[in-house]
Amino acid sequence: SYELTQPPSVSVSPGQTARITCSGDALPKQYAYWYQQKPGQAPVVVIYKDSERPSGIPERFSGSSSGTTVTLTISGVQAEDEADYYCQSGDISGTYRVVFGGGTKLTVL
Amino acid sequence: EVQLVQSGAEVKKPGESLKISCKGSGYSFTSYWIGWVRQMPGKGLEWMGIIYPGDSDTRYSPSFQGQVTISADKSISTAYLQWSSLKASDTAMYYCARPVYGDYAHFDYWGQGTLVTVSS
Repeated sequence: SYELTQPPSVSVSPGQTARITCSGDALPKQYAYWYQQKPGQAPVVVIYKDSERPSGIPERFSGSSSGTTVTLTISGVQAEDEADYYCQSGDISGTYRVVFGGGTKLTVL
Repeated sequence: EVQLVQSGAEVKKPGESLKISCKGSGYSFTSYWIGWVRQMPGKGLEWMGIIYPGDSDTRYSPSFQGQVTISADKSISTAYLQWSSLKASDTAMYYCARPVYGDYAHFDYWGQGTLVTVSS
């Protein structure tokens, strides 16, 4: 099987920078995508193709890639950013077309 | 406006069959893949599989192959997820979602979710 590994939780104070990582062997060759999911809601994409930000997503959300790890960075975290965040990618063989990371709960202290 | 509207919540007993639906509107239904995502209570997202309504090409996650069937009726712009014999472990929220392109890109539109509860 193919897995994407995320930390279960990240905590930051308002105004600080939150970094959420996602590791996977195929990430150097496959794009990663990031979703935000708030309780009772469907996920919303906040970053696509490693570092592109969809229209309507605040500039404080950014993405980067280095080797087998991609990182979602939220600068100047606000209380409304408290949510679960999931990365998405796939393996190189195509057997696992789409895989989600286990998710990271971002807590704003 | 692109919309994916899913069928309502279901309560079923173990062993029963079930088919839930996802109706697309506001775009060319036959030109985009539609995927299904499971979220068990308090857990993360799991990609189940995907279908291209234009020609019914279907791909499953190895984890769900043989456990569910994905289909589509392009005449009514509706995709389906079905079970022949439900288990308690199938209790979850199920989302349909449309990738922005291809069968592997990010999902830009999501349905509202269908909650399936399987309990004796």
